[in-house]
Amino acid sequence: AQTVTQSQPEMSVQEAETVTLSCTYDTSESNYYLFWYKQPPSRQMILVIRQEAYKQQNATENRFSVNFQKAAKSFSLKISDSQLGDTAMYFCAFMNRNTNAGKSTFGDGTTLTVKP
Amino acid sequence: KAGVTQTPRYLIKTRGQQVTLSCSPISGHRSVSWYQQTPGQGLQFLFEYFSETQRNKGNFPGRFSGRQFSNSRSEMNVSTLELGDSALYLCASSLDSNNSPLHFGNGTRLTVT
Repeated sequence: AQTVTQSQPEMSVQEAETVTLSCTYDTSESNYYLFWYKQPPSRQMILVIRQEAYKQQNATENRFSVNFQKAAKSFSLKISDSQLGDTAMYFCAFMNRNTNAGKSTFGDGTTLTVKP
Repeated sequence: KAGVTQTPRYLIKTRGQQVTLSCSPISGHRSVSWYQQTPGQGLQFLFEYFSETQRNKGNFPGRFSGRQFSNSRSEMNVSTLELGDSALYLCASSLDSNNSPLHFGNGTRLTVT
């Protein structure tokens, strides 16, 4: 079974600064996907970024980028130029490529507050 | 394209009752999965349906059940409600390709009194 650990329950950052959210996972699989999802207060969860384990290059999506360290089983999310709208709960998730997206394993989440 | 639609948004039930939650996936998505979100337990996988068949199941008691219809819409049923069932229930759909992410609905907030 896979486990996903987010060791930072809460974080805060000043607007326009950079913040990094941590995620580690444990699996015996070699072929998998990793995701970061964002859940704003009272709003629906949306995908922020995804990483395929077989790709060495770190994924980026505008201000969002990941630092994927496969050997260390680490998958951190960096948010650059933080904006007030980035305030949300962020979930790291793991999906075994040999199963399907419906059975993702999620971390407990990190609540990020962006301060003006 | 319309997103994932969950109804109702809020429900208040009493212990012992049963409840049915509904989820309409994004058009073209055949996989529908359900998650329970609570402050103490985070997001816990309930089950996943594909082409009207339950394909994956989490570690929840048999009081939690679901089904999927031919149009991919899904329902989740909880019988003999307990106080601990109070949670946000999230439905998510996906294309079911190898790397397709989950698309979530707004959730149904269930309160059991």
